[in-house]
Amino acid sequence: DGGITQSPKYLFRKEGQNVTLSCEQNLNHDAMYWYRQDPGQGLRLIYYSQIVNDFQKGDIAEGYSVSREKKESFPLTVTSAQKNPTAFYLCASSIGGLPTGELFFGEGSRLTVL
Amino acid sequence: AQKVTQAQTEISVVEKEDVTLDCVYETRDTTYYLFWYKQPPSGELVFLIRRNSFDEQNEISGRYSWNFQKSTSSFNFTITASQVVDSAVYFCALSEARSGNTPLVFGKGTRLSVIA
Repeated sequence: DGGITQSPKYLFRKEGQNVTLSCEQNLNHDAMYWYRQDPGQGLRLIYYSQIVNDFQKGDIAEGYSVSREKKESFPLTVTSAQKNPTAFYLCASSIGGLPTGELFFGEGSRLTVL
Repeated sequence: AQKVTQAQTEISVVEKEDVTLDCVYETRDTTYYLFWYKQPPSGELVFLIRRNSFDEQNEISGRYSWNFQKSTSSFNFTITASQVVDSAVYFCALSEARSGNTPLVFGKGTRLSVIA
């Protein structure tokens, strides 16, 4: 079945460690996105990519990094520079670069910093 | 700047009651798109509807209906005869269709609890 796969679903990290969250899609979508969700805060955009080898910062990019070497993959690295990384992370994709169509979401990755 | 406000943080209703989730948006663009998403306990957001700024017709899909009013910048969502399976967090979102990519901006969500 087509869709977006995020892994791992749950992740624990010690302070000072970098972690990478995986996002893979087999929908042949051009655009991919990373959102962060905190209780009562809704979804906030971290990074997005419209095409391979290109990406833009969202509203809260500090302390995060991404790459888009393949159309189907958009991994997110949470670096030690991110001061409050404990959150629920959602990856999404859309058919075109302009989000006039719907976003398709993965099931999310919950990161907890110990 | 674009903004979406969902003033209702949490709503609880008894099964079979009707419930309306409010969404107010701000944008300077004349062309924009509005969305509603549902987030069940599993965490994955599920697309419910998209409406462009030139189409103010209300829409009904089964027990769901949407009321888009440009005069009040609102895009409210009503669930008729609510069911326990409707319990979820619901997000309203906005996208401006100007040149350049403008990813969706989400409201903070409304948590709906339907009690049997």
